[in-house]
Amino acid sequence: QVQLQESGPGLVKPSQTLSLTCTVSAGSIRSGSYSWTWIRQSAGKGLEWIGHIFPSGSTDYNPSLKSRTTISIDMSKNQFSLNLKSVTVADVAVYYCARFVNGWYYFDSWGQGTLVAVSS
Amino acid sequence: DIVMTQSPLSLPVTPGEPASISCRSSQSLLHSDGYNHLDWFLQKPGQSPQLLIYLGSIRASGVPDRFSGSGSGTDFTLKISRVEAEDVGIYYCMQALQTPITFGQGTRLEIK
Repeated sequence: QVQLQESGPGLVKPSQTLSLTCTVSAGSIRSGSYSWTWIRQSAGKGLEWIGHIFPSGSTDYNPSLKSRTTISIDMSKNQFSLNLKSVTVADVAVYYCARFVNGWYYFDSWGQGTLVAVSS
Repeated sequence: DIVMTQSPLSLPVTPGEPASISCRSSQSLLHSDGYNHLDWFLQKPGQSPQLLIYLGSIRASGVPDRFSGSGSGTDFTLKISRVEAEDVGIYYCMQALQTPITFGQGTRLEIK
């Protein structure tokens, strides 16, 4: 059973960059059957899809966050990462990484989530 | 973006009784592949979301058969035939027809 685990700082200063990594275990990130996704959950906006990356490196981002978002993939480490620039208090949320099953259109595995706060 | 609207937002249910949650999308989720790209999942307290139903009506592996999904186009329903205590949590619908993927606001199911 594939497992996903988010890691990264739980506190980011305003205007700085939020950086998180998702480590995938018991499954290869190289498989073309899946795309690798970041989703966040906040009290104010509920669940929000941030974007995803395919093993080819192709990405797709939520237009509402696109200008500040970069998702990258590291095959050698079986990881993918999220960078969100210029954070504000509006970016406070639980951030999840998840695996999306291409062709069947659902998320079959989620990380446990990591809470990121924004404060000076 | 496709807007997903759920109702009710709160659902108190007596154990053993049925429950139903509605989800409406701002545009049709029926794909040319013949499937509605609509998923349901449950977020139990303190946990990550877990898939219940995908492509509108296909029950995910390991999901009890008391859960069923139906509907097409813009109107969908999740039904629980007999609610059990372990079913408490927040239920979400989600559209995967196009990016950005979008979610309903959630329906909180509680036991009376």
